[in-house]
Amino acid sequence: QVQLVQSGAEVKKPGASVRVSCKASGYTFQTYIINWLRQAPGQGLEWMGWMDPDTGYTDFAQKFQGRVTMTRDTSIGTAHMELRNLKSEDTAVYYCTRVLVLAAAGQKHDTFDVWGHGTMVTVSS
Amino acid sequence: DIQLTQSPSSLSASVGDRVTITCRASQDISNYLAWFQQKPGEAPKSLIYAASSLQGGVPPKFTGSGSGTDFTLTISSLQPEDFATYYCQQYKDYPITFGQGTRLEIK
Repeated sequence: QVQLVQSGAEVKKPGASVRVSCKASGYTFQTYIINWLRQAPGQGLEWMGWMDPDTGYTDFAQKFQGRVTMTRDTSIGTAHMELRNLKSEDTAVYYCTRVLVLAAAGQKHDTFDVWGHGTMVTVSS
Repeated sequence: DIQLTQSPSSLSASVGDRVTITCRASQDISNYLAWFQQKPGEAPKSLIYAASSLQGGVPPKFTGSGSGTDFTLTISSLQPEDFATYYCQQYKDYPITFGQGTRLEIK
């Protein structure tokens, strides 16, 4: 079955970096774009950016430009998200999600159909 | 950035009720709107895309409507498993943005 399995929880100090991994199974990894989002405790969902696992092309929310990198290892079907210069406000659950393109009324729609279980990243001194 | 405003922020209802959540966009997003359900400690689950199309495996008790700037999600015949937080999402333009969420609680 289609799954995204994320790496385990992390605790980091301010100024450090964190890398979260997202391993795909049950489908051809390169075929579907991966998005990354996060959710601070008790808060809503925040989109961070996306990566094309086939080409490695990435695009990020302006808020994270210069601080985030998204990469992939196609040999093991895994996407990575690295966030640098961590601050306490970066404490959140980080999710990866797959984009399934569906058609409706003659248009193409990008749907987030499968999600990883989330990775808690805590930034604390 | 496109802002999405959901109302209400929280809602109490009973098993068997029908409820409606609204989502208003700060500019025209056509029908590039999705709805998600999230339960505590879980990842969001896709319910609806293109404002009114059901994601695969989602029961038809969830119905979405709207276009342009005003959208609704209606949940009929509430069951205990439906009590959760619901988010709307626009994907017309980057950055992708979400509403602040509507917490649906059991009365």
